[in-house]
Amino acid sequence: SQTIHQWPATLVQPVGSPLSLECTVEGTSNPNLYWYRQAAGRGLQLLFYSVGIGQISSEVPQNLSASRPQDRQFILSSKKLLLSDSGFYLCASTITRGGRPYEQYFGPGTRLTVT
Amino acid sequence: RKEVEQDPGPFNVPEGATVAFNCTYSNSASQSFFWYRQDCRKEPKLLMSVYSSGNEDGRFTAQLNRASQYISLLIRDSKLSDSATYLCVVSRFDRGSTLGRLYFGRGTQLTVWP
Repeated sequence: SQTIHQWPATLVQPVGSPLSLECTVEGTSNPNLYWYRQAAGRGLQLLFYSVGIGQISSEVPQNLSASRPQDRQFILSSKKLLLSDSGFYLCASTITRGGRPYEQYFGPGTRLTVT
Repeated sequence: RKEVEQDPGPFNVPEGATVAFNCTYSNSASQSFFWYRQDCRKEPKLLMSVYSSGNEDGRFTAQLNRASQYISLLIRDSKLSDSATYLCVVSRFDRGSTLGRLYFGRGTQLTVWP
């Protein structure tokens, strides 16, 4: 079974500061990887997804970016944080079996507060 | 129209009660269906997949009606530990893509009281 690691667990950053969140996956190869954000009391918002190294697709235009330098590493970044970037950031991994998209597994998340 | 719609609740039930959650989805091309559970300030965790024939896992029963595009979750003999938010999720390949996308409902909040 796969395990997803995320760090840091909690982060408090001032407006205008840079951001780097890291996600690594164990126990699988060539996974599809995803970044989600969940604002307080809200649903999950898909931010980025990746089907392979260097392949990133963005769902929502914003001041965030993502990179996938290795098969099982996914990084979320920002050059300048906004107050609206506060939220719970979740990395997820999924595989496709039998031609059907399968369930996603989530990392423990990073809780970001921008002050 | 939202991809997945759920009654947000909250549902407040006593221990031992039976509670049912419902969900509808808008895209008939959806291929896979799931219920996730999310505890406060934690990540969502897969509770169970939902199959067309319906399936049961202990106290939990899930049903899928493709014709009505409707998914349900029944929890019998509720426990205090069942208190959480339950997310209805559908999955499919977007047109022209090999990437499986999951679409999450906003969740239904359940509180089980002693």
